[in-house]
Amino acid sequence: QVQLQESGPGLVQPSQTLSLTCTVSGGSINTDGYYCSWIRQPAGKGLEWIGRIYITGNTNYNPSLQSRVTISRDTSKNQFSLQLNSVTAADTAIYYCLMARGLNFDYWGQGALVTVSS
Amino acid sequence: QAGLTQPPSVSKGLRQTATLTCTGNNNNIGNEGAAWLQQHKGHPPKLLSYRSNNRPSGISERFSTSRSGNTASLTIVGLQPEDEADYYCSAWDSSLSVVLFGGGTKLTVL
Repeated sequence: QVQLQESGPGLVQPSQTLSLTCTVSGGSINTDGYYCSWIRQPAGKGLEWIGRIYITGNTNYNPSLQSRVTISRDTSKNQFSLQLNSVTAADTAIYYCLMARGLNFDYWGQGALVTVSS
Repeated sequence: QAGLTQPPSVSKGLRQTATLTCTGNNNNIGNEGAAWLQQHKGHPPKLLSYRSNNRPSGISERFSTSRSGNTASLTIVGLQPEDEADYYCSAWDSSLSVVLFGGGTKLTVL
């Protein structure tokens, strides 16, 4: 069974960079057809798609975040990562990593709460 | 930015049928259909259906989906207490090259 686990600091200072890593076990991030993706959810609010990376390295990002976000992959560690620059309190949310075939959101991490505060 | 519109809340009685809607446009739902996710409080979302009523393994047949034009629907028959949750629709927007989510519908089972 494929399992995903987010890791990274739970507290980030305003204007700094939020960095999260998703470690995949029981499967490969190089599986054909699968996108490695990030979604976030502020407390009490809905889901927001951040972006995704394919096995070719091609990326798609939410236009509202595109200027601040980078998603990358490390195939040697079977991990993929999220970097979000210049964070503000509005970036406080639960961040989920997932692997999806298009809209087939197959596998999800449990989510990591990241709080932006000084 | 284009979005997907869902009613904020729906309430139905036990064992009744609930139909949740999600409205987009020709570039998203009208083009490639929608996926539906269920989220219980404190848990990650769970995929219920993607594209044309494809249910992942383990998803009850009580959940079914359909599409008419730019509107996707999720129908839940025989409502059970455990169906009380937030439901989100999602679609790929081909003009924006982004995945969109609706704002979510909170389903209350009375």
